[in-house]
Amino acid sequence: QKEVEQDPGPLSVPEGAIVSLNCTYSNSAFQYFMWYRQYSRKGPELLMYTYSSGNKEDGRFTAQVDKSSKYISLFIRDSQPSDSATYLCAMMNSGYALNFGKGTSLLVTP
Amino acid sequence: EAQVTQNPRYLITVTGKKLTVTCSQNMNHEYMSWYRQDPGLGLRQIYYSMNVEVTDKGDVPEGYKVSRKEKRNFPLILESPSPNQTSLYFCASSQDGSLNTGELFFGEGSRLTVL
Repeated sequence: QKEVEQDPGPLSVPEGAIVSLNCTYSNSAFQYFMWYRQYSRKGPELLMYTYSSGNKEDGRFTAQVDKSSKYISLFIRDSQPSDSATYLCAMMNSGYALNFGKGTSLLVTP
Repeated sequence: EAQVTQNPRYLITVTGKKLTVTCSQNMNHEYMSWYRQDPGLGLRQIYYSMNVEVTDKGDVPEGYKVSRKEKRNFPLILESPSPNQTSLYFCASSQDGSLNTGELFFGEGSRLTVL
C-alpha cells in the first residue's frame, strides 16, 4: 500500500463551485502536511502548509487535517478558471523527504 | 528574482549516451533535491542533498548520479540512459535541510526522452 493515496480525477466543476480535494495516508508518524499546485508545464508550488491536526485558511483556500482518520482535505471556495491545475498533497514526519500523492487534476469551467 | 533554473528544458537522446541536467538556485538554499514525475506514479525523489558535499539516495536512485560541489548547483547525471528514464524531471530547493517550513521551490522541469 502506497503511503499517500490521492484520487487522480479529473475533477470538473463550474465556476463558483466549492471544490473538495482529499488524500489519505497510512503512516501515522506524518505530522507535516502540504498542498502544492501545479499548472501545466510548470513545477509545483506550495499552496498550503499545516503542522499536525486542524484547519488553516488562506483566502479562498482551507486545508484540513484529521490525523485520527489519516485524512487531509483542501477546500476551494468560489472556484475560478485560474484554479484549473493539478493539486498534489504532500506530507512527512520529520526529515528530508516529502511523500507526494499522485495529484488530482482540476478543471474549473466558466 | 528567486528561482530554480534547470537546463535543458527538453532533451531527446539515445540509449547509452551520457547526459547531465543542470540545476542552479539563487536563494542560498541548503537543501536541494531531484524528482521525476511520471503519469500514474506521481513525483518520486531520486536524490537529495542537505548541503555541499552531502548527498543521499531518495526512492528511485538507480541509474542516476548527483554531485554537490557548490551550494547553488546540483546536477543530475545519467551515465548510461535507458528508455525507462524517459520522464519529466524536477529540481527543487529549500531553505534548510529539515524541510520543516514545508516549502520546496521547484524548477520548471526538464522533459527527457530516451530512445
